[in-house]
Amino acid sequence: SYEVTQPPSVSVSPGQTASITCSGDKLGDKFACWYQQKPGQSPVLVIYQDVKRPSGIPERFSGSNSGNTATLTISGTQAMDEADYYCQAWDSSTVLFGGGTKLTVL
Amino acid sequence: EVQVVESGGGLVQPGGSLRLSCSASGFTFSTVAMHWVRQAPGKGLEYVSTISSHGASIYYADSVKGRFSISRDNSKNTVYLQMSSLSAEDTAVYYCVKGLVEQPGWNDAFDIWGQGTMVTVSS
Repeated sequence: SYEVTQPPSVSVSPGQTASITCSGDKLGDKFACWYQQKPGQSPVLVIYQDVKRPSGIPERFSGSNSGNTATLTISGTQAMDEADYYCQAWDSSTVLFGGGTKLTVL
Repeated sequence: EVQVVESGGGLVQPGGSLRLSCSASGFTFSTVAMHWVRQAPGKGLEYVSTISSHGASIYYADSVKGRFSISRDNSKNTVYLQMSSLSAEDTAVYYCVKGLVEQPGWNDAFDIWGQGTMVTVSS
């Protein structure tokens, strides 16, 4: 069965660029989405269809997807960006979520 | 304001059944797919089920297939998740999620999430 894989954790210093990857066989042939979840809160869509930002999502969030890897990039990372991030893709008629990446801003 | 609100969670015994409801507002409900996603305590997100805008297409995760049933009533702006043969592995927060498009699939995304409703399966 199809799987998407994320690193469990990523650390970044405030103001620097954070990159969170999501890997899967020919993932670039699918659309990737990204969700942010802060402790005790519901997930929030931050990137859809690889590169699109929903209204209200800051411009510092961007996405890319090519080959076997989708990447969420957060430029000028702020303390408020500390959260769990999940990638997601469709495989035929089912949905795959990555295991999540805990982003620490320190 | 676009929102979805879940209800119906609670404590149920193993082997029991429960029906979750999700009431939507602030958007044209009948034009988008709706989804259920769950999250076990301390764990990641797990896909559960999807129903297209008019119910013609329905999908389930393998882990719930044959036990869960999704439906919707567009006249009431409500989507349901009927759960049966519940086990401890079904214990989770269940999120109702608005989709982006009418027919779910490759270009859909989980757009607006509810606050979740907790389902605990325990004797």
